Amino acid sequence: GAGVSQSPSNKVTEKGKDVELRCDPISGHTALYWYRQSLGQGLEFLIYFQGNSAPDKSGLPSDRFSAERTGGSVSTLTIQRTQQEDSAVYLCASSPSAPGARTDTQYFGPGTRLTVL
Amino acid sequence: KQEVTQIPAALSVPEGENLVLNCSFTDSAIYNLQWFRQDPGKGLTSLLLIQSSQREQTSGRLNASLDKSSGRSTLYIAASQPGDSATYLCAAASGGSYIPTFGRGTSLIVHP
Repeated sequence: GAGVSQSPSNKVTEKGKDVELRCDPISGHTALYWYRQSLGQGLEFLIYFQGNSAPDKSGLPSDRFSAERTGGSVSTLTIQRTQQEDSAVYLCASSPSAPGARTDTQYFGPGTRLTVL
Repeated sequence: KQEVTQIPAALSVPEGENLVLNCSFTDSAIYNLQWFRQDPGKGLTSLLLIQSSQREQTSGRLNASLDKSSGRSTLYIAASQPGDSATYLCAAASGGSYIPTFGRGTSLIVHP
């Protein structure tokens, strides 16, 4: 079946512009994660959605970052007034079940490479 | 706060060698530990997941062990092949948060 997909694969924008990044998780997966990976850095957690629960936004670096998940499926990460330090690869992952279940492997999308000029 | 460290940061070996990649974590109250592979320009692919109650998991030439008391996990790759060349990341999900903390990875090159 289809894996996690993300769009666009690459995005180049000018400083100060807003961008939207999209993630389509695997059908039926209840958990969805957004991460950021900068050159030479590890994966930085941004936000976590689990079913209908309130999202865990503890990793969002500033109020310029927001995300939503509509209908428990597709998610959009929005970055307002982009800055050069926002340049990174943004990765989305989904997981098939709630924490506490045995099958909670994360399945990652290919990422969106964001470049802010 | 959980911190995950991977050693070595980079490794280059000839084909056929058996390898050990190390992962250490500071909070031993983990929920699970995962090993991932990342190819250049791609997302992460899950290799093995070890639940907190388990000691090891095996898949083909890969074996991952978990020692919570010492805060360590190792990924053993037997009879390495050039196709194993990639970055390997470990991630620990601590008991209080189900959000994994990732290490920076070990970049592996297996040359023919």
